[in-house]
Parts: sequence; structure tokens; C-alpha cells
Amino acid sequence: GAGVSQSPSNKVTEKGKDVELRCDPISGHTALYWYRQSLGQGLEFLIYFQGNSAPDKSGLPSDRFSAERTGGSVSTLTIQRTQQEDSAVYLCASSLALGGGQETQYFGPGTRLLVL
Amino acid sequence: GDSVTQMEGPVTLSEEAFLTINCTYTATGYPSLFWYVQYPGEGLQLLLKATKADDKGSNKGFEATYRKETTSFHLEKGSVQVSDSAVYFCALRTYNQGGKLIFGQGTELSVKP
Repeated sequence: GAGVSQSPSNKVTEKGKDVELRCDPISGHTALYWYRQSLGQGLEFLIYFQGNSAPDKSGLPSDRFSAERTGGSVSTLTIQRTQQEDSAVYLCASSLALGGGQETQYFGPGTRLLVL
Repeated sequence: GDSVTQMEGPVTLSEEAFLTINCTYTATGYPSLFWYVQYPGEGLQLLLKATKADDKGSNKGFEATYRKETTSFHLEKGSVQVSDSAVYFCALRTYNQGGKLIFGQGTELSVKP
């Protein structure tokens, strides 16, 4: 596709359940980023990938959050034992590279997560 | 740490009015600066960017100039339209964590006919 796609677009889950959020970056983009957007915290960075590697996971809010990327393409963000404070819109972005003038990030439409 | 501060909204203007949304930043070094826009029900879209001091980014009639001396990147448009109603986010690209973006809190713009 032409842009970054994310699925599902909406997810409602019960507290304590696990959820998986998927991101398909723009074809050929080597860098991939996850952010979340919530009323209380605004837009905050979670994690980035260069290829399949996530060099720094310090932005993840707790050890219940994990992410992986396979084949230098699709990424999955997993939240275990969801809590109500995890309710937010999870955004994925990709860029052609990390630098060299090719670092502009393009965002997907987001996954709106509601934890009841 | 690095941060971005935007003027609070909501901002309500009449069609054809002049728009300014203020944005200032604190950062190590000279980061790239961006304005993203989020139209109702849609994702974040890049509006414009500037990568070094005195650069002017422009798109769709919007402009912003990277001012190092005042650490600012104010967004301006000479004549807004109803279709410009959206939330506008100022952001800077850091030198760490893969060049993650740090966003301001967003400014909601409502343009009335």
C-alpha cells in the first residue's frame, strides 16, 4: 500500500487480557516507530526499530509492553495484562532511514485501544 | 531534556483570518522541526518541516521559519479556510533513540464560515 497501515483500527478488551497491535510500514522503510496518544499524556514515544532491531526499549512504559519486528517490515506491539491506563491511540510511523535527509516519519491511522 | 511547548487551544477564527500558532522548543544541538496536522477522524500528516536555522518550511499556504535565536517555529497562514480545522502538533526530532519525535501538546483550530 501507499501508506502506513495499522490493525485493528479499534480494540476493546477487558482488564487483564493481552492485546496485539499490528503495523505495516511503507514498503522499503527501514525505520519504524511506535507512539501512543492519550488525553493525559499527549503524544509519547514508545520504541523504535532499525531493521529488526530495537536498540533502546527504555520508552516502553512497563514490562507489560513488548514489541517485535520481523523481516524488516511488519511490527507487532503486545500489551500483556492490560490495565485501564493503557487505553489510548497507538500510532505507528515509518521512515526511509534514520538520517541522511530521509528521516521524515509518516504515520499510520492508529489503533484505538479501550480497556474496560 | 528536550521539549516542545505550543500555545494552548482551542483557537477559533473566521474564514480568511490570519493564523499564528506559537511553538517554542528546548533541545540539545539543532534538531529538525516539524508541524504535523490531524484532521478529524484521520491520522497525523506531515504539514511542513525545517532542518536547519533560518530554513522556512511551507505547504498548503502554511509557513514556519526555524528561528535558532528564539528557539521558535511558529506556524502561520495568511487566510484560513474551514477545511483547515484540525489539531496542529509542533515536533522536534531528537538525536537519540533513533531520532524519535517529541511533540507539543497540540493546538485545536476551528475555522467558522
